[in-house]
Amino acid sequence: AQTVTQSQPEMSVQEAETVTLSCTYDTSESDYYLFWYKQPPSRQMILVIRQEAYKQQNATENRFSVNFQKAAKSFSLKISDSQLGDAAMYFCAYRSAQSAGGTSYGKLTFGQGTILTVHP
Amino acid sequence: DAGVTQSPTHLIKTRGQQVTLRCSPKSGHDTVSWYQQALGQGPQFIFQYYEEEERQRGNFPDRFSGHQFPNYSSELNVNALLLGDSALYLCASSFRVGGYTFGSGTRLTVV
Repeated sequence: AQTVTQSQPEMSVQEAETVTLSCTYDTSESDYYLFWYKQPPSRQMILVIRQEAYKQQNATENRFSVNFQKAAKSFSLKISDSQLGDAAMYFCAYRSAQSAGGTSYGKLTFGQGTILTVHP
Repeated sequence: DAGVTQSPTHLIKTRGQQVTLRCSPKSGHDTVSWYQQALGQGPQFIFQYYEEEERQRGNFPDRFSGHQFPNYSSELNVNALLLGDSALYLCASSFRVGGYTFGSGTRLTVV
């Protein structure tokens, strides 16, 4: 079974500064996807960024980028130029690339989450 | 284009009762997954429905059951409620490899 670990229960950052959230995972699979989701007080999970394990290049989405270290099973999220709207709970998640149950989009395994506070 | 709609948004039930939560997937999505998120924790996978059948199931007891209708909407039923079932229940819909879209959840409180 796969596990995802986020070792930072809480992080804080000053507005306009950079912060990095950590995530490690454990799997015996070679092909999988990794995600960072943001959950604001509205409770809806919002996809921040996605990384395919077979791609060596780190994913980037505007101010958000990841540092994907496959051998170390590490997947950190860097938020640059932090904004007040970035304050939320952030979850790292894993999904196998193998189809399951006849569907091609299997379950997500989430970490425990990191609460990010942005100070003005 | 409507996203994922869940109802109700909040409800309070008494221990031992039964509850039904509902989810309408995003337009064009045919797969629905349910997650339980305890306060301050990450979501835990309950089960996934595709073509009106349960395709994958997480480590949840049989008290948790579900259903998917021909229009792809889904229900999550929980019988014999326990205090520990108090949580946010999230529904997520998907279509092939297009990614998940999550709803805003139903906050269930068992007293």
